[in-house]
Amino acid sequence: KAGVTQTPRYLIKTRGQQVTLSCSPISGHRSVSWYQQTPGQGLQFLFEYFSETQRNKGNFPGRFSGRQFSNSRSEMNVSTLELGDSALYLCASSLLPGLAYEQYFGPGTRLTVT
Amino acid sequence: KNEVEQSPQNLTAQEGEFITINCSYSVGISALHWLQQHPGGGIVSLFMLSSGKKKHGRLIATINIQEKHSSLHITASHPRDSAVYICAVAPNFGNEKLTFGTGTRLTIIP
Repeated sequence: KAGVTQTPRYLIKTRGQQVTLSCSPISGHRSVSWYQQTPGQGLQFLFEYFSETQRNKGNFPGRFSGRQFSNSRSEMNVSTLELGDSALYLCASSLLPGLAYEQYFGPGTRLTVT
Repeated sequence: KNEVEQSPQNLTAQEGEFITINCSYSVGISALHWLQQHPGGGIVSLFMLSSGKKKHGRLIATINIQEKHSSLHITASHPRDSAVYICAVAPNFGNEKLTFGTGTRLTIIP
């Protein structure tokens, strides 16, 4: 069974631009969560989607948004990029919603904002 | 506010030593996850537990719900165990979001 895939793996953007990251969950998994990892703040929860609905959201500004499609693939978008958005963005999928189920992580997208 | 604290932050040991990494949290939880992250960023879920003890190969995870504490043990450590180990908790109330510890960087010297 293929694992969680994320595209692109690396991305360089300029301040003020916007970016869209993609995550394809393990086949059959309907829950997708997104996380941001920075050296200063560590891993932080962004949001969780299940059946095309956002179930939970972390403490991030409205510039961070996401969506989930009917095939469970998910995208996250960051608008008006800031230098501080440079981070590793990870998604994870699980069979069921709620974070009390095993999470399977993708390899991440490393975003650099210059 | 849900705080998750890990100790130690850094740990260097000789190959073969028994390793213990600790995680303490401040609120009631529905589950605790132990994650492993190798250089390059990929994260692997090692354990998810809500009570008792789980074992997988040389790795053992325990949790004490009353004391709000979990430990990850590695027996007969090997250089390939060198990684960052992260504990994360899912609270059992309110906004369900994983809260992560800051990680323990483990280095095993041959």
